[in-house]
Amino acid sequence: DAGVTQSPTHLIKTRGQHVTLRCSPISGHKSVSWYQQVLGQGPQFIFQYYEKEERGRGNFPDRFSARQFPNYSSELNVNALLLGDSALYLCASSSGTSRGTEAFFGQGTRLTVV
Amino acid sequence: GENVEQHPSTLSVQEGDSAVIKCTYSDSASNYFPWYKQELGKGPQLIIDIRSNVGEKKDQRIAVTLNKTAKHFSLHITETQPEDSAVYFCAAMRAGTALIFGKGTTLSVSS
Repeated sequence: DAGVTQSPTHLIKTRGQHVTLRCSPISGHKSVSWYQQVLGQGPQFIFQYYEKEERGRGNFPDRFSARQFPNYSSELNVNALLLGDSALYLCASSSGTSRGTEAFFGQGTRLTVV
Repeated sequence: GENVEQHPSTLSVQEGDSAVIKCTYSDSASNYFPWYKQELGKGPQLIIDIRSNVGEKKDQRIAVTLNKTAKHFSLHITETQPEDSAVYFCAAMRAGTALIFGKGTTLSVSS
């Protein structure tokens, strides 16, 4: 079985541009969460989607948005990029949100803003 | 909201020694506590987890203990090997919310 897949793996963008990151969850998983990991820190929660609905949002500005598609894949969009948005963006897949269920991470997208 | 503290930030051991990483959490409603291993250039890998109705869980050389009263949980790795070298993260979660991570522990195992 394929694990969580994210694309692209690396990305370089200029300040002010926008970016779209993509995630495909493990087959059968209906929940996708996005995390931002800056160097030397633990992942920080951005969004959680379950059955195509937003179920949680972390403390990130409105420049960050996301959506989940009928096939449960997801996109994270970031507008008006800032240098501080440079980070590893991680997608996590889990079966549901009703209880503490295992979350499996993809390899991440390394975003560099110059 | 939940806050997770993790110690130590770095840990160096000799091959074959044991390693212990400790975390504390603030939200008494948290009921799920996973541990992740992250190698350079990769995403976090789930290595073991524990739920609040269990005090201890073991999987080969790895064990996790949970003290709900004190709100802390620990990762124990026995007979460490060089391939155990990585960054380890603890996390806490209450049902229906997101994982809150500690800042990580860089474990170095020298042979």
